[in-house]
This record gives sequence, C-alpha cells and structure tokens, in this order.
Amino acid sequence: QKEVEQNSGPLSVPEGAIASLNCTYSDRGSQSFFWYRQYSGKSPELIMFIYSNGDKEDGRFTAQLNKASQYVSLLIRDSQPSDSATYLCALNAGGTSYGKLTFGQGTILTVHP
Amino acid sequence: DTGVSQDPRHKITKRGQNVTFRCDPISEHNRLYWYRQTLGQGPEFLTYFQNEAQLEKSRLLSDRFSAERPKGSFSTLEIQRTEQGDSAMYLCASSLSGVGEQYFGPGTRLTVT
Repeated sequence: QKEVEQNSGPLSVPEGAIASLNCTYSDRGSQSFFWYRQYSGKSPELIMFIYSNGDKEDGRFTAQLNKASQYVSLLIRDSQPSDSATYLCALNAGGTSYGKLTFGQGTILTVHP
Repeated sequence: DTGVSQDPRHKITKRGQNVTFRCDPISEHNRLYWYRQTLGQGPEFLTYFQNEAQLEKSRLLSDRFSAERPKGSFSTLEIQRTEQGDSAMYLCASSLSGVGEQYFGPGTRLTVT
C-alpha cells in the first residue's frame, strides 16, 4: 500500500462546478497535511494546509481532514479554467520522518468552459 | 521577500559529468529540503537541513549525491558521475518549522544525455 494515495484522474468538471479531490494515507501518526497545485512544467505551489480534524476554508478552497478514516480532501468551488492543474496531496508523518513531506502522485484536474 | 530561488533553472549534461545546483531559501526559514520529481509522479524526498545540520537523507539516495548547507543559508546539491536515470526536476523547499508549511522554489530541470 502506498503511503499517500490519490486518484490520478484526470478529473474533468465544467466551469462553475465544485471539484472534489481526495487523498488517503496509511500512517496514522501523520501530523500535518498539505495541498499543492502544480501547473505543467512548474514547481508545486502551496494552496492549503490543515492540521486538525474538520474543515478549513480559504476563499474558493476547502480542505477537509478526517484522521480516524485517514483521508484528506480538497474542494474547489466555482471552478475556473485557470484551476486546471495537477493537485498534489502531501503529509508530514512526524516521528522518525519528522520534517519531510510524502506526496501522492497527484490528480490531474481539467476545468472546461 | 522573494521566495525560494534555485540556480540554474535548466541543466543539460553528458553522462558521467558532475553537476551542482544551488538553492537559496526564504531568509527567515531555518529548514531546507531537497526533492526530486519525475514526470507523472509526486516529488520524492532526498534530504533536509535544519540550519547547517543535515538531519535526514533518503535511503534511496545513492552515494553519488551529496548536499551541503555550510552557513545555514543557501544549500548546494551535487550529483557526481551523472546517469540518465538522474534526469528529473530537482526541487528545493524551505520552512520555518519541522511540521510547518514548505514553500518550493522553481526547480532545476536536469537532463542527462
């Protein structure tokens, strides 16, 4: 089992819709969780982070964390064509892995007009 | 604050040559990380520093790879005797704390011919 699993997609949504991106992880000791957006040929850009169970909202983005079920999700409301990118889920496992991020393989999102 | 910077942005080298990359973190960040990313995959952890101390190195990293952060500011990553399998995007990130948010530089794309 991979440490961080994401559906590679592609996920296609119409403009204005809600895009839902999901991520599951295996290490119950994971402490902090991140969503990065990566445009083709560019480096990852941090868009959301969440440390506690529940929801965290920032503009059109909502991150949801459920440690008991070991999943984290990202909702993008009112999706725009400019949101088309690869979305990477990452976590900091803590413990002996304190500091490093472990990434999923990313979900490709396409928002079509 | 100009963010994390990396140099060079692109490097083409012949197999067997040595290459060195530089990373300048966000000025107040004491942690610096190196990752490698290949097409279709999420970034893979290589090593990280807290100030000048190298705290962890991936077991996947061969002895041809070495990293330094001599004064706790910028860092260099050297690859000796490059192989075609080293072709990838090399990413640097920095953070204020161990479990905190990591911000990436633009990356150095290495092509080994």
